[in-house]
Amino acid sequence: DPKIIQKPKYLVAVTGSEKILICEQYLGHNAMYWYRQSAKKPLEFMFSYSYQKLMDNQTASSRFQPQSSKKNHLDLQITALKPDDSATYFCASSRIQDTQYFGPGTRLLVL
Amino acid sequence: DAKTTQPDSMESTEGETVHLPCSHATISGNEYIYWYRQVPLQGPEYVTHGLQQNTTNSMAFLAIASDRKSSTLILPHVSLRDAAVYHCILRVASTGSKLSFGKGAKLTVSP
Repeated sequence: DPKIIQKPKYLVAVTGSEKILICEQYLGHNAMYWYRQSAKKPLEFMFSYSYQKLMDNQTASSRFQPQSSKKNHLDLQITALKPDDSATYFCASSRIQDTQYFGPGTRLLVL
Repeated sequence: DAKTTQPDSMESTEGETVHLPCSHATISGNEYIYWYRQVPLQGPEYVTHGLQQNTTNSMAFLAIASDRKSSTLILPHVSLRDAAVYHCILRVASTGSKLSFGKGAKLTVSP
């Protein structure tokens, strides 16, 4: 069974709309992360959370807002979507200060 | 973040042992050396990591130079499934610390 679930797998959105990317981990980890990978580019760190609190934010835009409703959830809300937001978004989790494990990703296409 | 240098690509044949080099001349004492690999359309997969001593697991052997300025990921008896982009990343073991991915080294495995 997959230990890190990301939903949906694929997402198509129109410019200006809002979407929520879901991430759930069943590894018992207390730290969760979001990364983004645009076409032909390296993965780029976005956010890290520890015990449901924001630890680091490397995203310049406030349009990206993580939401942690449960300790094993870290969703990503993206508002006012732009075509440049098209990318694959990866969630990861870890024990505190330990190895990060990645989910399968959500591929977002903004038209 | 301290940087790493890897070859852009390496080629191998099934059954060979592959040595993937990584240079990290400015590594700090509290930085771990992490290796991840990624195939297209999938999230990064953890391979191994180490601080100072050589490490081994079911996937690979990590040889770390005594001055820690370089390391080599050794993949024994590679198969087609080992074809991926391999990333050598330095990471401080602190709460919420990010992984900084570069372009990595693309390993091609031929039958």
